[in-house]
Amino acid sequence: AQSVTQLGSHVSVSEGALVLLRCNYSSSVPPYLFWYVQYPNQGLQLLLKYTSAATLVKGINGFEAEFKKSETSFHLTKPSAHMSDAAEYFCAVVFSGNTGKLIFGQGTTLQVKP
Amino acid sequence: DAGVTQSPTHLIKTRGQQVTLRCSPKSGHDTVSWYQQALGQGPQFIFQYYEEEERQRGNFPDRFSGHQFPNYSSELNVNALLLGDSALYLCASSLALLGETQYFGPGTRLLVL
Repeated sequence: AQSVTQLGSHVSVSEGALVLLRCNYSSSVPPYLFWYVQYPNQGLQLLLKYTSAATLVKGINGFEAEFKKSETSFHLTKPSAHMSDAAEYFCAVVFSGNTGKLIFGQGTTLQVKP
Repeated sequence: DAGVTQSPTHLIKTRGQQVTLRCSPKSGHDTVSWYQQALGQGPQFIFQYYEEEERQRGNFPDRFSGHQFPNYSSELNVNALLLGDSALYLCASSLALLGETQYFGPGTRLLVL
């Protein structure tokens, strides 16, 4: 079955430290990949997306993600965490043949400590 | 340029009742998708509308139905509400192309008592 797995439901980092949020998908065909952020009591905001142009994708707020086909991964990173980065992060995938149907991971809550 | 808007923001219903949620897509978008997000979970795809027809559907019962109007706005209807229908309902709009980004509205929080 097509699925998306986010390793770690909670990640805690210190302000200024590296942020690494993990995402793996199950498919032999590279899909379209997205990272969204959700702040409390709000909808989802797009951080970045991969659509087969470049394996390293840069997004908003200093985030970037690297697509690794051999590892079926699309991990999200940010070199230096800021307090305002504390939120829920979702990896989402559109698999081949499922036009427009986003399949989401369970989400990772990022806590940033001062 | 207005983004995706949803109404109402909050709603309280009792079991067995029916509810209608509304969504206006981002300007220029022709496709609307609906998602259910239970507390502490990732959003689950309900269905997608394009050209006023349901184009794709997730694993939701027939109690969940929808509609898209000629101006591309959409409604989500849920009949015979269950306690388990309590969730944040998210609407997303996009262009009808594979891989196009879906832009989300703020959601409607439904509480079923």
